[in-house]
Amino acid sequence: EVQLVESGGGLVQPGRSLRLSCAASGFSFDDYAMHWVRQAPGKGLEWVSGISWNSGSIGYTDSVKGRFTISRDNAKNSLYLQMNSLRAEDTALYYCAKDISYSGYVQFDYWGQGTLVTVSS
Amino acid sequence: QSALTQPRSVSGSPGQSVTISCTGTSSDVGGYNYVSWYQQHPGKAPKLMIYDVSKRPSGVPDRFSGSKSGNTASLTISGLQAEDEADYYCCSYAGSYTLGVFGGGTKLTVL
Repeated sequence: EVQLVESGGGLVQPGRSLRLSCAASGFSFDDYAMHWVRQAPGKGLEWVSGISWNSGSIGYTDSVKGRFTISRDNAKNSLYLQMNSLRAEDTALYYCAKDISYSGYVQFDYWGQGTLVTVSS
Repeated sequence: QSALTQPRSVSGSPGQSVTISCTGTSSDVGGYNYVSWYQQHPGKAPKLMIYDVSKRPSGVPDRFSGSKSGNTASLTISGLQAEDEADYYCCSYAGSYTLGVFGGGTKLTVL
């Protein structure tokens, strides 16, 4: 059974940093691209960042470029999102999502339950 | 990276069909056959309903179908059932470096 378990969310002040983690199990993690998708309270889904199976292709939505860094450790079956210079508008539930392909055509067949990030003073 | 355009809401009666549109540009929807659709019930994680424009994952009823014409993709749900009431989101690949973009979401109400 595929499982994606996010962790690392919490309440953080504007300008501070947070690192999200996603522990994957039930599939060959290093065969698939992975992504972070967020959903602000009461709002729609927003693709945040994606990384190909071998970290050779990485992308970010414009609003987080230069502030967020996605990475993966295939040996640990884990995906990460380092979030720096956090802003109030980054407040959201952050989902880890598995791509259906290795290269990353941004189609997600499995999702975690999300970890909540709240940016507030 | 502008969000794809979806109607904010659609509705239909049980047994009827509804179609949700998703309009992008030649840089996303029109440029690639990597459009997917997700169903999200309140408080739940999204669920993949359609991928590669028109393919259904195992377990998704064949009442759900997808298509694309030019820069607009569509999700059609036939034989509406009460449990189809949910938010629906389209998503498109937007080019190299693993770029993606979602639609704003459509709330489906089953009358």
